[in-house]
Order: sequence, then structure tokens, then C-alpha cells
Amino acid sequence: GEDVEQSLFLSVREGDSSVINCTYTDSSSTYLYWYKQEPGAGLQLLTYIFSNMDMKQDQRLTVLLNKKDKHLSLRIADTQTGDSAIYFCAESPFSGGYNKLIFGAGTRLAVHP
Amino acid sequence: DTAVSQTPKYLVTQMGNDKSIKCEQNLGHDTMYWYKQDSKKFLKIMFSYNNKELIINETVPNRFSPKSPDKAHLNLHINSLELGDSAVYFCASSQDRQSNTEAFFGQGTRLTVV
Repeated sequence: GEDVEQSLFLSVREGDSSVINCTYTDSSSTYLYWYKQEPGAGLQLLTYIFSNMDMKQDQRLTVLLNKKDKHLSLRIADTQTGDSAIYFCAESPFSGGYNKLIFGAGTRLAVHP
Repeated sequence: DTAVSQTPKYLVTQMGNDKSIKCEQNLGHDTMYWYKQDSKKFLKIMFSYNNKELIINETVPNRFSPKSPDKAHLNLHINSLELGDSAVYFCASSQDRQSNTEAFFGQGTRLTVV
């Protein structure tokens, strides 16, 4: 099946680390993604990880992938108020010769002083 | 230059009307998509076109008819609008249907049916 689950809310203090977790179901996904949506805006690709990797670091962002448990996490170091947004995890199952993105419900990150 | 642009940004209309949302991408991508985001922020794919050919249709009511006059445009026409159609509709594009390394999204069209 195709299903992506993530917790809906996360509140952190400015300067702390944020960890957003996600579980997915489709093991055929070649890539797994994190998208960010700021209020009233479209989706912006934050980072992605290839399915044969278990970690990817990109400045303040660290993605961890546990393929056995189908668990994906996004860690944001030194979280800033500008990081307040909704973060979507997405898998990309490949079937019938095409890819499509299956999104989780989004985690709303609130950063407070 | 905006990579994926949609018009209009906001659309308020009455039940039963027919409306269209336009989307254009200037990235030279072969594949374009329509996604629907409901009031709970849940995003779901509706359609995908690859080089003007429909490749994904996720059991969307046939009141929704996508049209791709060329590979840079994917418009969404909705007939007989219903209250439940109120949502934000996102257009997106990717290099091709297989790589999907990155899908670029438009800013969204907020449709409100009253």
C-alpha cells in the first residue's frame, strides 16, 4: 500500500534541535523527500535522500533513513523562527512506469523564543 | 522568472459553476502534475501528464478535466463545482516521469466554492 504517516505538531525553542519523524509503507520508493510549506506559499523541496543511503547532511539539516523499519527523520539543528512551517514527508513509489509523490499529512513546526 | 506559475491565485465561485485554473512551467520539463490540498493540509496527487499524455489519474471525479495543449502547460477545468471542491490546488513539474528527483511546485490556487 501507499501510506505516509507523520506527527501533526512539534513545538521547539529557538536554538534547539527539531526532529520530525515519518513512516512510509512503499519499499519501492527510490527517493524519499522532505518538503517545506510556509504559510500561504507553495511547497519547496528541502532535501531528499536516495533509498540506498542511511544518512544525508546538508548544512543544518540531517536526514536519517532506516529502510528496514521504513522510518525517515529530519533533524534541524539550531532551529530558527524562520523554520516555522509545515514539513511534509513524501515517498515516491514507482509503478506502472511512472513516479508520483505520496505525501504525509504534514508536521506543523512552531518555533518559540 | 517564476518556474511554475498558476493563475489565478485565488478563486471564489458559486456552486454549479465551471472554472479553470491555468499552469505553465518554463523549466523545459516533460512531466506536469496537479495536486489537491484539503483544509487539513493533506496533499494528494490528482493527475500527471508526460509530454501531453495523461499518465496518472487518481480516481478523480470526471467533473475534473485536465488539458495539456503542450508540454509546458497543464490546465485544470472543473465542471459543476461543489462545496467539497474547496481546496488549494497545486501544479508541479519534474524533469520526466521516471527521475522525479525534484518536483517544482507552483504557489497554489485557493479555490473557495460558496
